[in-house]
Amino acid sequence: GNSVTQMEGPVTLSEEAFLTINCTYTATGYPSLFWYVQYPGEGLQLLLKATKADDKGSNKGFEATYRKETTSFHLEKGSVQVSDSAVYFCALRGGDDMRFGAGTRLTVKP
Amino acid sequence: EAQVTQNPRYLITVTGKKLTVTCSQNMNHEYMSWYRQDPGLGLRQIYYSMNVEVTDKGDVPEGYKVSRKEKRNFPLILESPSPNQTSLYFCASSFRLNTEAFFGQGTRLTVV
Repeated sequence: GNSVTQMEGPVTLSEEAFLTINCTYTATGYPSLFWYVQYPGEGLQLLLKATKADDKGSNKGFEATYRKETTSFHLEKGSVQVSDSAVYFCALRGGDDMRFGAGTRLTVKP
Repeated sequence: EAQVTQNPRYLITVTGKKLTVTCSQNMNHEYMSWYRQDPGLGLRQIYYSMNVEVTDKGDVPEGYKVSRKEKRNFPLILESPSPNQTSLYFCASSFRLNTEAFFGQGTRLTVV
């Protein structure tokens, strides 16, 4: 079956540091891949997505590239801000199945 | 404003007392689903619905029921809640299967 594995947290960074959150997946066929962000007390919001191999999703300075050869969709940001502190979820949608990773809590300190 | 609305946001109840968490979306989405979020486990799908009167089990359906009588509403029913159903619940909807999911703000349920 489909599954998503993302790096465990928590992750603590200083402001302006480089961020990488690893995400790998297992799926049959050609799934769509997503990163969602959850701010404290809120629901999940779509951060970015990619629907086919080699697509790069980007939003608010975050990027992730759909790598079919390594079955990965790592999230990166060149310079994090305090306001980026949140929980980040990698997700996969294949057919009628949607799977989420366990979530990675990011804390950015001034 | 496009949104998914869940009610209530917080609920404390006792074991065995039936409850319903409502979910409504105003985007005319076909696909709706319920998830529970538990520490270290991420989001796990409880039930989903691909359209009116079409529902199916997700990964953790035991102890839950749903109905989809109208396109916009997808209530989650706990007939006899137990403490292991204490969790944070999210409703989500999307236009199609491969499109972005919109989430409600969550319902924190405590069963004592």
